Amino acid sequence: GESVGLHLPTLSVQEGDNSIINCAYSNSASDYFIWYKQESGKGPQFIIDIRSNMDKRQGQRVTVLLNKTVKHLSLQIAATQPGDSAVYFCAEDFFSGGYNKLIFGAGTRLAVHP
Amino acid sequence: EPEVTQTPSHQVTQMGQEVILRCVPISNHLYFYWYRQILGQKVEFLVSFYNNEISEKSEIFDDQFSVERPDGSNFTLKIRSTKLEDSAMYFCASSEEAGISYNEQFFGPGTRLTVL
Repeated sequence: GESVGLHLPTLSVQEGDNSIINCAYSNSASDYFIWYKQESGKGPQFIIDIRSNMDKRQGQRVTVLLNKTVKHLSLQIAATQPGDSAVYFCAEDFFSGGYNKLIFGAGTRLAVHP
Repeated sequence: EPEVTQTPSHQVTQMGQEVILRCVPISNHLYFYWYRQILGQKVEFLVSFYNNEISEKSEIFDDQFSVERPDGSNFTLKIRSTKLEDSAMYFCASSEEAGISYNEQFFGPGTRLTVL
């Protein structure tokens, strides 16, 4: 069935270090995978997406890696800052019948310590 | 920058009461969504809406739930007779388009629903 999940529920890092958040998924039908950031009391905020025919995509301080062979997605944050502290969700954009829906994973909390 | 807004930010209700959660999607967006997030859990899809019709709904979206676009700007989620397990954060989202190419869904800040 459809499911998107995460390996690590909580990740603590020192400010300035690089962070890696991982996600495993089981549904190979999606064409896009997305990372969302959710700060306390706010809605999910888009960070970066990657199409299924790519294995790497870079943004500003963030890189998403996709390994379709093992159905694994990761988000790398360079030089992690206190403002990066949040819960991070991977999501799959599932397109069916002409419409989209997002299927979210369970979330990883990133705690950045000064 | 345009954003999705939701009201109220927090709604407390008694079990069995009706609640209406309100959303104002981004003005040029045509596709609308509701998601919910039970405390500490993942965000779950409830329903998508386009052209004044539900396009898809999840198993969670039973007969107690309904959605409506009463005018050109608002998009509402109604829970007819709330249950304790309806307590959650409800997020509205909108996107400009839909399709095989990714169309970003923009999320509102959410409404926290507490059913007593």
